[in-house]
Amino acid sequence: EAQVTQNPRYLITVTGKKLTVTCSQNMNHEYMSWYRQDPGLGLRQIYYSMNVEVTDKGDVPEGYKVSRKEKRNFPLILESPSPNQTSLYFCASSPPLMSSYNEQFFGPGTRLTVL
Amino acid sequence: RKEVEQDPGPFNVPEGATVAFNCTYSNSASQSFFWYRQDCRKEPKLLMSVYSSGNEDGRFTAQLNRASQYISLLIRDSKLSDSATYLCVAYGGSQGNLIFGKGTKLSVKP
Repeated sequence: EAQVTQNPRYLITVTGKKLTVTCSQNMNHEYMSWYRQDPGLGLRQIYYSMNVEVTDKGDVPEGYKVSRKEKRNFPLILESPSPNQTSLYFCASSPPLMSSYNEQFFGPGTRLTVL
Repeated sequence: RKEVEQDPGPFNVPEGATVAFNCTYSNSASQSFFWYRQDCRKEPKLLMSVYSSGNEDGRFTAQLNRASQYISLLIRDSKLSDSATYLCVAYGGSQGNLIFGKGTKLSVKP
């Protein structure tokens, strides 16, 4: 089954404790992206990757890191989480965006709470 | 900053009603446009792409007006299952990033 998986789905942690949210897709997509969604603010892009070893900042990259060593994986790293990073996080993948009308496939989401 | 603006709603309509959502975008270089549907606390899913000539998929019709920089979504004969948040999305071009609107909430009542 074609899908984007994220782990963990739910996480409660404390300020400053490094964490990684994994994202994996099995559709051989070049493009992958991370978003956070907060009430009243909608979906905001954190980082995206056009292909392996190519990553770029989205609208809200502060406090996050990513890597794209393999095509299928795009982990999101919070080196020192803070309470303002409490949010619902989505990973997404698609064929190259330059091909018009390509659908973004989203993972199920990770609900993160930083205390 | 490149923006996509939507009326947040909620739009409360009876079953069978026709409802229309509009969305405006600020980046005139935007190349592609989409409507996504998001159920509560779930991941967004593509509802339909928006073509320059307008396109229809069953009860759903999407229109693009480049001159005025707005996109519309029309839902005819609303069903209870149409209740969701509808996200307008613009692809800005070479930057490789998608810009999402904050969504319009639709609630269809019996």
